[in-house]
Amino acid sequence: QQQVKQSPQSLIVQKGGISIINCAYENTAFDYFPWYQQFPGKGPALLIAIRPDVSEKKEGRFTISFNKSAKQFSLHIMDSQPGDSATYFCAASSPISGSARQLTFGSGTQLTVLP
Amino acid sequence: DSGVTQTPKHLITATGQRVTLRCSPRSGDLSVYWYQQSLDQGLQFLIQYYNGEERAKGNILERFSAQQFPDLHSELNLSSLELGDSALYFCASSVAGSYGGELFFGEGSRLTVL
Repeated sequence: QQQVKQSPQSLIVQKGGISIINCAYENTAFDYFPWYQQFPGKGPALLIAIRPDVSEKKEGRFTISFNKSAKQFSLHIMDSQPGDSATYFCAASSPISGSARQLTFGSGTQLTVLP
Repeated sequence: DSGVTQTPKHLITATGQRVTLRCSPRSGDLSVYWYQQSLDQGLQFLIQYYNGEERAKGNILERFSAQQFPDLHSELNLSSLELGDSALYFCASSVAGSYGGELFFGEGSRLTVL
């Protein structure tokens, strides 16, 4: 029930195209949904995040769409650029006990944007 | 640069051995998290410390242990190493004991067990 399922595992997009990565969850205790971007040789870095009380959040070319009833959320990268080539992880945060929280990651999507 | 420092960056050792990975969190961050990243398992949460105390435990093996020192740096100890322990080990820190998901990751320590 703690799993976050992410798809696709890999994605190849032409420059200027739209990249779409999907995630699904079961645990209704998840209450915060960040996306992380990881370049080779680097640690993951927070890209954008959303709370379940909104259906969409946009930051520049990056948009999160959230469907609470379906327990699904997705990342859209508009006008994809070769510099966006990286591994993207969706994640979900939930309380554990007291003020402690846990962040559960999806399995990652390796995005390649062709020039 | 996230501000989180991990050493060593690379480590090669043999099965049965013990290693220690070190992490210095961002200045002011009280929470430290350890994650394991392998090709087939993604990012797996191991353990969390807050101001020196264990706060949460994930899929951490009994052969692994961690601690956070008074200066807030943390160490992850891996013992009786097996081939399957080969992975990237990430440390992350956050501003407070509770968080909404914003972790700052180091660049990781790549462990190879031969």
